[in-house]
Amino acid sequence: NAGVTQTPKFRVLKTGQSMTLLCAQDMNHEYMYWYRQDPGMGLRLIHYSVGEGTTAKGEVPDGYNVSRLKKQNFLLGLESAAPSQTSVYFCASSWGRGPSSQPQHFGDGTRLSIL
Amino acid sequence: AQSVAQPEDQVNVAEGNPLTVKCTYSVSGNPYLFWYVQYPNRGLQFLLKYITGDNLVKGSYGFEAEFNKSQTSFHLKKPSALVSDSALYFCAVRDPTGAGSYQLTFGKGTKLSVIP
Repeated sequence: NAGVTQTPKFRVLKTGQSMTLLCAQDMNHEYMYWYRQDPGMGLRLIHYSVGEGTTAKGEVPDGYNVSRLKKQNFLLGLESAAPSQTSVYFCASSWGRGPSSQPQHFGDGTRLSIL
Repeated sequence: AQSVAQPEDQVNVAEGNPLTVKCTYSVSGNPYLFWYVQYPNRGLQFLLKYITGDNLVKGSYGFEAEFNKSQTSFHLKKPSALVSDSALYFCAVRDPTGAGSYQLTFGKGTKLSVIP
């Protein structure tokens, strides 16, 4: 019973490099989310998806792209990493947005440092 | 726009004493409210939620929260704190009818330390 799995757990990048963070869920959830967590700022939504093949912008989407080619996977891409993107990234999933479909289930995070 | 405030960055409580972690919210409609807990190097774990109905909500690990519409508050409580309750606690809100109805807005978090 894995739930939400994020890969990798840690990564160090140089400014300008690109990378992709992978999120996989085995709960057949329709909705998936990417958040970033920064000290003293809580979690902020980057992008989300309400189903396979769909994506939408959240609160802080600039500098990131996402794809949801398969229902169980949600990828977060950094095309040209910047030091401001140093953060802990969390993926989450949920059945939907109605009351019976909550809460969101979270992965354990990817700790990303941009030098 | 929806928002959440957790007025205390840190709460210290002695083991065995009752604990309260405060949360106030702002939404234009009727809110969905949540509490999550985060242990070091882990993701957020769901504790409890208020959608509708009874204002007192019971959740995991003996936690409960009281929804107060007039005060726009959703404080987290536990009658007797354990050292293992020490963690970072997040309050979150959704306005299910608003333009950002897919979005869960989180507070900045409150670090709870239970002192043996």
